[in-house]
Amino acid sequence: NAGVTQTPKFQVLKTGQSMTLQCAQDMNHEYMSWYRQDPGMGLRLIHYSVGAGITDQGEVPNGYNVSRSTTEDFPLRLLSAAPSQTSVYFCASSTNLGPSSYNEQFFGPGTRLTVL
Amino acid sequence: DAKTTQPPSMDCAEGRAANLPCNHSTISGNEYVYWYRQIHSQGPQYIIHGLKNNETNEMASLIITEDRKSSTLILPHATLRDTAVYYCIVRVPGTYKYIFGTGTRLKVLA
Repeated sequence: NAGVTQTPKFQVLKTGQSMTLQCAQDMNHEYMSWYRQDPGMGLRLIHYSVGAGITDQGEVPNGYNVSRSTTEDFPLRLLSAAPSQTSVYFCASSTNLGPSSYNEQFFGPGTRLTVL
Repeated sequence: DAKTTQPPSMDCAEGRAANLPCNHSTISGNEYVYWYRQIHSQGPQYIIHGLKNNETNEMASLIITEDRKSSTLILPHATLRDTAVYYCIVRVPGTYKYIFGTGTRLKVLA
């Protein structure tokens, strides 16, 4: 198993450009999520999905869109990049045993995004 | 709101036990406490989780107070490879929203 993969590893954008960060998992996990990590900070949840066709907002959803058309893929779209979106983005997945059950998340290696 | 509080940094001598505390006073009765660590800038890695009872696995032990308002992660014999940022995480009750704090940066000293 490749686990959780993310592409690209690094990206530089200009203000106003749009792009999609890719995330894929091969563990047949129902739950997938996106986090951002700013320098010296913890991870903050952007969006998450509990299955194909189902997404919801996390703590910091503004400026980002997601969709989940397959179990394997959960892309994150930046609509109009801003310097405040410079960050490291992590994708994670887990089995979905319900909100009151134990769910171990598996994280990808991250995408380092710089917006100029 | 779900929230965790951890000391920003700790040092530990190699071979000694590292005890990392976490306050999660707003945790609800049926939510787990999770611990992850992040080495350099890699993706976080799961360590252990617990609900009410103390837990132990091959990596660490987790001690949860009886009132569940705080917990301590114990690395029994810290090595240089345990140098990392350790996160105590809880979930917003009844949701799939995980709340990371700012974590504790553990430095294991030779």
